[in-house]
Amino acid sequence: DQQVKQNSPSLSVQEGRISILNCDYTNSMFDYFLWYKKYPAEGPTFLISISSIKDKNEDGRFTVFLNKSAKHLSLHIVPSQPGDSAVYFCAAGGGNTGNQFYFGTGTSLTVIP
Amino acid sequence: ETGVTQTPRHLVMGMTNKKSLKCEQHLGHNAMYWYKQSAKKPLELMFVYNFKEQTENNSVPSRFSPECPNSSHLFLHLHTLQPEDSALYLCASSQVGRGKGEQYFGPGTRLTVT
Repeated sequence: DQQVKQNSPSLSVQEGRISILNCDYTNSMFDYFLWYKKYPAEGPTFLISISSIKDKNEDGRFTVFLNKSAKHLSLHIVPSQPGDSAVYFCAAGGGNTGNQFYFGTGTSLTVIP
Repeated sequence: ETGVTQTPRHLVMGMTNKKSLKCEQHLGHNAMYWYKQSAKKPLELMFVYNFKEQTENNSVPSRFSPECPNSSHLFLHLHTLQPEDSALYLCASSQVGRGKGEQYFGPGTRLTVT
């Protein structure tokens, strides 16, 4: 049973607009959440993270929001750029899972110039 | 990014072959991981090594055999694989104990079993 779900396999956004990628999780013990970005023929690269003691973490154009009651997190990219086109994975773990993280299936973002 | 390297990048093998995947991390991390990524599926954690000791084996078939000779190197030995084992195999490393240990991935080995 998938503990982390990304229900949108793909998303297209116009350059300069906001991209919002969503992720849901089922295990309330998770206390650390990450977003990774993956280009073709490369491994995932770490993008941004958030601890369960926060509800928002910002790094430049990237902001992650965490809603613990809804077990939902989202990644906002603003303004979106063509170079942001990639597959984005969310991951969750910590708590009682040690250093094991569970990944979603990914959302393919296309930013249209 | 050369923090985590994997060789080979592509591998085609028959079901009776024996091959090995190699991973090396240059980040001074103390934990290493093998993941399997199949199409349309989430990354599946296969093995975890903390301080060279295997701590996780997520019900992986015995035809996959990991080896961690030191904290910088990780191998995945393959033998008598099945076509459904064709996938992208990713290695990752992290520093357990400092922060929450974001994992840093290699580029992966694209494996095709014929």
